[in-house]
Amino acid sequence: KNEVEQSPQNLTAQEGEFITINCSYSVGISALHWLQQHPGGGIVSLFMLSSGKKKHGRLIATINIQEKHSSLHITASHPRDSAVYICAVIVYNNNDMRFGAGTRLTVKP
Amino acid sequence: DVKVTQSSRYLVKRTGEKVFLECVQDMDHENMFWYRQDPGLGLRLIYFSYDVKMKEKGDIPEGYSVSREKKERFSLILESASTNQTSMYLCASSPPGGWRYEQYFGPGTRLTVT
Repeated sequence: KNEVEQSPQNLTAQEGEFITINCSYSVGISALHWLQQHPGGGIVSLFMLSSGKKKHGRLIATINIQEKHSSLHITASHPRDSAVYICAVIVYNNNDMRFGAGTRLTVKP
Repeated sequence: DVKVTQSSRYLVKRTGEKVFLECVQDMDHENMFWYRQDPGLGLRLIYFSYDVKMKEKGDIPEGYSVSREKKERFSLILESASTNQTSMYLCASSPPGGWRYEQYFGPGTRLTVT
């Protein structure tokens, strides 16, 4: 079983919809990253968080350390949000990084 | 603007060939990483380097080696390519502190071994 599980694996939405991508992990962590990978491969970091909530534009990331769960929300989704979203955790104590398999989001106009 | 570049976007090699994947960063970062990405498995760390001539094995180093002769350049070497090394390879760099800070990724090299 992967230490970092994401759901759903694939998600198709209509433009304007509210999107939620979930990440659950089974190890103790010191922080969690949300990454975005566009077609063609390039990965950019969206958020790093260790508690609470962060917001950047239409993107909101939350984390519940006790529940070992994080969510990435996209409000008013747009076709340019179509990408693979990857959750990654920094393992407490050894600073190893573990990645989820990614959620492929397609937003249709 | 920060930049991590990789030598090729697409590469096709034959089984048994020696393959070099090059990564260059212009941010004067100490840490550099090589990952492979496969469907359903996510990113997996092959090797990382925290300084010139220093290297550490990641989760899946078998079949790979690395070289870091200059701070800005980190090379991944497949000594004898095999079909199970067909994958997307991603390079990244970060300042000291590693994953506690943002990692900057290259565009990736999609390697096919036939």
